[in-house]
This record gives sequence, C-alpha cells and structure tokens, in this order.
Amino acid sequence: ILNVEQSPQSLHVQEGDSTNFTCSFPSSNFYALHWYRWETAKSPEALFVMTLNGDEKKKGRISATLNTKEGYSYLYIKGSQPEDSATYLCAPDGSSNTGKLIFGQGTTLQVKP
Amino acid sequence: DADVTQTPRNRITKTGKRIMLECSQTKGHDRMYWYRQDPGLGLRLIYYSFDVKDINKGEISDGYSVSRQAQAKFSLSLESAIPNQTALYFCATRLGQAGSGELFFGEGSRLTVL
Repeated sequence: ILNVEQSPQSLHVQEGDSTNFTCSFPSSNFYALHWYRWETAKSPEALFVMTLNGDEKKKGRISATLNTKEGYSYLYIKGSQPEDSATYLCAPDGSSNTGKLIFGQGTTLQVKP
Repeated sequence: DADVTQTPRNRITKTGKRIMLECSQTKGHDRMYWYRQDPGLGLRLIYYSFDVKDINKGEISDGYSVSRQAQAKFSLSLESAIPNQTALYFCATRLGQAGSGELFFGEGSRLTVL
C-alpha cells in the first residue's frame, strides 16, 4: 500500500493570501500524481494529473509542481478567495497496470473573507 | 443527468441487515472504484475493477463485497452491516487505457447503520 502524506492537515488563511501545501509519496514505481478538489457537500473533482518530473500545471490561480525523484508535489493557490475553501486531495498512481489510486488524507483550506 | 449515478443517495439501516449500493456510469470507462469517506480519514479504497472479470481488493475490503454486472455497473454490498460501516460512500470511474485518467465521482451514498 502506498504511503501518501499531505501537509498541513488544515489551513486557515485570509482572502488574498497565497498558500501552498504538500503531497509526499513513495518515489519508486511512480506513474502519475493526481490532485483533486473536494468542496463540502459535493463530490471530488480532478484538478491535475501529472506524470513528468519537473512538470508544472496551472488552472487559473491554482498551480502544481511535481518532483518524482524525491517523491513530492506542491499545490499553490495565488490570492486565495473564499470559493477556494475546500479539501485538496492527492493520489499517486503507482503503475499504469495496477489501477489502484490511494488518496492522502487531504489538506482542508478555509479562506476567510 | 449525472455521468456517474449512485443509488440510494441516503440509507438508514439496522445492524445485521444486508445492504447494496449501486453505481452506474454512462462514460464508457473501463475502471470503476468504491471509496468510503470518514471524517478525518479522507477517501479509503474498498474495491476496484478493471472490467467485468477483474475485481481487486483495496485498502479496507473486509466486510464488503462487490459485483461488476456489466461494464457500466458496479455494486457494493454489505452482507451484514455494522455501525462502524456508517460512512459516505463514493463510486468513481476512469479510463485506464490512455495513461492515468482522472477519476470521475458519483454524488455519494450516505449510509447510516444503527
């Protein structure tokens, strides 16, 4: 079973602050890294799927980087807004053949107006 | 209509009862998953399936069984429900052939076992 760790567990910021959180995963047998956003009372939705070491992806004010050699990914939110309040989950995909996606416990972000 | 549909959305049952949660999808995806969510524990994988003949255990399969009746349908059963199976259950699907496809989630099934 993959050991996936996300930090911090929770985060409270003011509107306009920029923030970032970390996903750590075993670097061996890496295939891809998924990031999901999960708003209260809704279903998780994919933000990014990243596969290449050094990859950086961006969607609006949210971006992510990937380091497969050391086994971590950062998610950045620039100028946080209250609508960014959600739990952010990562899940490493260890192999194209296993199909198993194990999630970290998530980072819960609360943005105060 | 949602691409990934779960039924029932809410269910209250008693200890010892058999419960089935159903999931159907119209996305044509080959891979389907069942996760459960408990406060503070994130999403934990129960079972996943590559196709109708390929079923695999996840992190927490004890007390659960699944059936992949067709490519579009994946059911989760609790043969004898117990209170610590009270949770929010999510079905998810993805396309496996073209690299690491993203998961698409259903709306969740909230199960309470008294």
